[in-house]
Amino acid sequence: DGGITQSPKYLFRKEGQNVTLSCEQNLNHDAMYWYRQDPGQGLRLIYYSQIVNDFQKGDIAEGYSVSREKKESFPLTVTSAQKNPTAFYLCASRVSGASTDTQYFGPGTRLTVL
Amino acid sequence: AQSVAQPEDQVNVAEGNPLTVKCTYSVSGNPYLFWYVQYPNRGLQFLLKYITGDNLVKGSYGFEAEFNKSQTSFHLKKPSALVSDSALYFCAGLTGGGNKLTFGTGTQLKVEL
Repeated sequence: DGGITQSPKYLFRKEGQNVTLSCEQNLNHDAMYWYRQDPGQGLRLIYYSQIVNDFQKGDIAEGYSVSREKKESFPLTVTSAQKNPTAFYLCASRVSGASTDTQYFGPGTRLTVL
Repeated sequence: AQSVAQPEDQVNVAEGNPLTVKCTYSVSGNPYLFWYVQYPNRGLQFLLKYITGDNLVKGSYGFEAEFNKSQTSFHLKKPSALVSDSALYFCAGLTGGGNKLTFGTGTQLKVEL
């Protein structure tokens, strides 16, 4: 987990509220990613960013938004439009020099909608 | 469609015995494959990857993986399992022009005394 921090570790949200999950990395990596993990489904890509001020939708972007104003930060907002937001959210980063570089993961944030 | 499959939801093995966690892939072009491990309520930890070269890849914590092009497989192996190896293991393949990792559904490994 070293070098990538996610906060908070646990987050509770009422239905209809937007919440923002933090992801910070001090690895000087160019690329950053957000994944959602549900039991039995593996990890699914929400959004990714290869450089500052640029990001692309992943496979399940609906109901989520991101920003990339700084190289070290890639916050994820879970909006009220996300119908089933309860999940474990994982942030990752990668040196973007070669596509085969390894992605490294943060410790995750567990979001529960009450 | 490019995909990675882990055919076993759970693998049980006795401590000291060899372990194998299976992964098969279906990707276009050169396959770039990864193994990660996840402990409860933690992020994923990188174990090893296959990019090119030797078919036997050695990684962290005594794990290795064998790339088999004819069988489109990338099975994770360890000669002697430890109770502390009990965790959730994910196989992943690089897709989307190298920008995305596609993950298998994970295999829960349980090592018993």
